[in-house]
Amino acid sequence: GAVVSQHPSWVICKSGTSVKIECRSLDFQATTMFWYRQFPKQSLMLMATSNEGSKATYEQGVEKDKFLINHASLTLSTLTVTSAHPEDSSFYICSAGRGSTDTQYFGPGTRLTVL
Amino acid sequence: DQQVKQNSPSLSVQEGRISILNCDYTNSMFDYFLWYKKYPAEGPTFLISISSIKDKNEDGRFTVFLNKSAKHLSLHIVPSQPGDSAVYFCAARGGTSYGKLTFGQGTILTVHP
Repeated sequence: GAVVSQHPSWVICKSGTSVKIECRSLDFQATTMFWYRQFPKQSLMLMATSNEGSKATYEQGVEKDKFLINHASLTLSTLTVTSAHPEDSSFYICSAGRGSTDTQYFGPGTRLTVL
Repeated sequence: DQQVKQNSPSLSVQEGRISILNCDYTNSMFDYFLWYKKYPAEGPTFLISISSIKDKNEDGRFTVFLNKSAKHLSLHIVPSQPGDSAVYFCAARGGTSYGKLTFGQGTILTVHP
């Protein structure tokens, strides 16, 4: 199978600070990675599609200036939550596939708590 | 607009019996469907998938059935084991979404010993 890692697994920060979450594909190259968030007892909601070497594509309602995505290499995408507020507290999960039509494999997720 | 729906929030099954998880979709452009298993505070784990050109795919204890005319798919787990207890999500992909997955709400499966 394919392995996707995320770092950190959990983070607690103060309101107004920025938090960076890393997503890595460990044993394959991913031209496309996806970022999801999940609120308690709810489904996974796609936030954005991260494309290597180009701008991310954001879903409707997701603020691109608040959730900065950088896909600098074929194995790394980062999500930065800027000026975090308590309502940004959530479980953030990334996924990656070898190609856009390949099965997506998910990272273990990052629990963000904003105080 | 919920394009993928899992209408049963929970399912309880006895160990050794069959678990049947259902999923309905509305977008006829979906051409690939996947089932994921998820534990709390962890990322989803891929279980099994099916292309829209097929109506059945089997992998060990897991079988996925697709009824395109009814826009319905189901996951069968037999025999069910206590370790199967988790949240199961169905997801769909297709059209011009370039790999984007649309998830259902999830079904909590509990398998009792």
